[in-house]
Amino acid sequence: DTAVSQTPKYLVTQMGNDKSIKCEQNLGHDTMYWYKQDSKKFLKIMFSYNNKELIINETVPNRFSPKSPDKAHLNLHINSLELGDSAVYFCASSAPAVSSEKLFFGSGTQLSVL
Amino acid sequence: ELKVEQNPLFLSMQEGKNYTIYCNYSTTSDRLYWYRQDPGKSLESLFVLLSNGAVKQEGRLMASLDTKARLSTLHITAAVHDLSATYFCAVDVGGEKLTFGTGTRLTIIP
Repeated sequence: DTAVSQTPKYLVTQMGNDKSIKCEQNLGHDTMYWYKQDSKKFLKIMFSYNNKELIINETVPNRFSPKSPDKAHLNLHINSLELGDSAVYFCASSAPAVSSEKLFFGSGTQLSVL
Repeated sequence: ELKVEQNPLFLSMQEGKNYTIYCNYSTTSDRLYWYRQDPGKSLESLFVLLSNGAVKQEGRLMASLDTKARLSTLHITAAVHDLSATYFCAVDVGGEKLTFGTGTRLTIIP
């Protein structure tokens, strides 16, 4: 059983389109995250939700909107896609305190905006 | 703003050799994590270091944390090809998020 699963794995789309990435975790964790990994492999947090409540919102364009229907799911919707949005997006989850638990990552979604 | 820097960014080493990857961070923290990423894959947790002087070992990898120096090291002993990957450190300064280092791309040459 995959602990943190995200779909799709690959997403190729045109500039200006709207797309969504879905993430689900079956670990019973309270906190979920979206991270972005750019072409240089640099990883940066975008959002964090704890029990469906937004707790971290880094400097991310308004075109990115996370949604958490329940604590096992955290989806990412992106409006009006731009070339610079091309990256790998990772979903992750952790138990109550990141300090004492590892982050569990999904397999990533490679987004290519043409 | 917290900065987490790894050194070196790229490392090619021969099988059987030893080497160390360094992770420096700019703000006080006593919680540091190491991850491994294979090409095109997700991140896999390697070590969790939760106090000053913490040392963890798994196979040919050993990680340590010096919170006073704001430095963590990942030491590779007698490298084998299977260890080729990108290694990330990540620092926790509270607030429910980890700040990742720049990554070190390690290539083991036969």
